[in-house]
Amino acid sequence: NAGVMQNPRHLVRRRGQEARLRCSPMKGHSHVYWYRQLPEEGLKFMVYLQKENIIDESGMPKERFSAEFPKEGPSILRIQQVVRGDSAAYFCASSPASGGRETQYFGPGTRLLVL
Amino acid sequence: QQQVKQSPQSLIVQKGGISIINCAYENTAFDYFPWYQQFPGKGPALLIAIRPDVSEKKEGRFTISFNKSAKQFSLHIMDSQPGDSATYFCAASRSLRTGTASKLTFGTGTRLQVTL
Repeated sequence: NAGVMQNPRHLVRRRGQEARLRCSPMKGHSHVYWYRQLPEEGLKFMVYLQKENIIDESGMPKERFSAEFPKEGPSILRIQQVVRGDSAAYFCASSPASGGRETQYFGPGTRLLVL
Repeated sequence: QQQVKQSPQSLIVQKGGISIINCAYENTAFDYFPWYQQFPGKGPALLIAIRPDVSEKKEGRFTISFNKSAKQFSLHIMDSQPGDSATYFCAASRSLRTGTASKLTFGTGTRLQVTL
C-alpha cells in the first residue's frame, strides 16, 4: 500500500519561472491538502481539495499560486513567476473520504529552491 | 483564533528520560489533536492523536494528555531513545459539516535531542 507520493522531490527554478508540484494521494483517498514549510518553521496550510473541487484555499496566496485535483491524475500545485521567497518545502497530505477522515497522511515533500 | 502555541522550542533529554512537549490552542471549535514526528528531509508522520472526549491516550511509549478546560494538550515520550531525536509538531483541526476534517493548524515545532 503505497503512501502519499510527491514529485519531484527537489526542484530548482530561476526567478520568474514556473514551478509545478505533483501529489498522488494514498490509494482510496480523495481528499488532498497542501502545506508549505519554511526553514525552521512549522507547516502552514495552503489549500484543501477534493476531486475536481477546491474546498478551502484560504491559505494560498491570491496571486501566482493555483491548485487543482482533476478527476484523473495527481493533484498539482502550480507557482507562476517564482520569487526567492517561494523557496520552501511543500508537503501534500491525503485523507480518506470515509472512516478516519480527520487523519492526514503526509508525503515526503518537494523542496523548491528559487535562484 | 486559529493559533496553536507549542513549547519548548527545543529539548534535550537523556536516554531513558521522559520528554514532555506542551501545546495550547485558542479555537474551541477544534476537535481533533494529532502529533506528528518529522525527521530531517522527511515528511511529517502521524504519531498519535486525540479527540476532546478523552483526557488521555496512550500508544506504546507515547501518551497524549488533554485538558479541555485549559485548552492545552501535551505529548509525553517515556523511556526516550536516541532514535526519538526529531522535530515534533502538535496540530489541531475541526470537523466540517461534511464529516471531513478541515485544515490542520500546526504548532511551531519542538526539536528533541535524546542523548546517550
